[in-house]
Amino acid sequence: QSALTQPPSASGSPGQSVTISCTGTSSDVGSYDYVSWYQQHPGKAPKLMIYEVSKRASGVPDRFSGSKSGNTASLTVSGLQAEDEADYYCISYVGSNSFVFGTGTKVAVL
Amino acid sequence: EVQLVESGGGLVQPGGSLRLSCAASGFTLSGYWMHWVRQGPGKGLEWVSRINGVGTTTAYADSVRGRFTISRDNAKNTLYLEMNSLRAEDTAVYFCAREKSASPDDWGPGTLVTVSS
Repeated sequence: QSALTQPPSASGSPGQSVTISCTGTSSDVGSYDYVSWYQQHPGKAPKLMIYEVSKRASGVPDRFSGSKSGNTASLTVSGLQAEDEADYYCISYVGSNSFVFGTGTKVAVL
Repeated sequence: EVQLVESGGGLVQPGGSLRLSCAASGFTLSGYWMHWVRQGPGKGLEWVSRINGVGTTTAYADSVRGRFTISRDNAKNTLYLEMNSLRAEDTAVYFCAREKSASPDDWGPGTLVTVSS
């Protein structure tokens, strides 16, 4: 159960797009379409943004989108806004009723 | 409105035990898989454990297997995490979460567990 690999940081100017990768293996990300993404602001609980690779959670703006290719899932935030500055985490089902999180990415809006 | 509220956190010595509770309201607990997730100080999220709606199926992260036990009392609408043989590296905010979309969906605010002498 090794953590999925995410870049430590990403950034973009308001209105630009940023894409965050989440790399696993053929035993987790590559085997299941159960990858989700969370946004976490400091001191707050995580908020579900994307589930089952590309489905937006209730109330999440369509600026947020998810995809997957092979062992790597991605989250794209288009039209960056100041409130998008936060930490983002992916999570994948790994079988045997278990999950593993990614290492997390801090997104800065410049 | 769905609400999850964790309690039971605090300061405990290495080797000690603690039981966390998660009180659920606004929905029927028995209908959902539930999770515990933790976050060490300044660190990322770590999935800890999961239990099915009737409590017959559980799963644990390698880091806690054999030391932590997840359980639930659906009559009391409460989820539990029994933590034994606690180590300094177990220091974290512990969140409970309801699974609704094949992953933790609704989260509580968390409770802080500090393992220190």
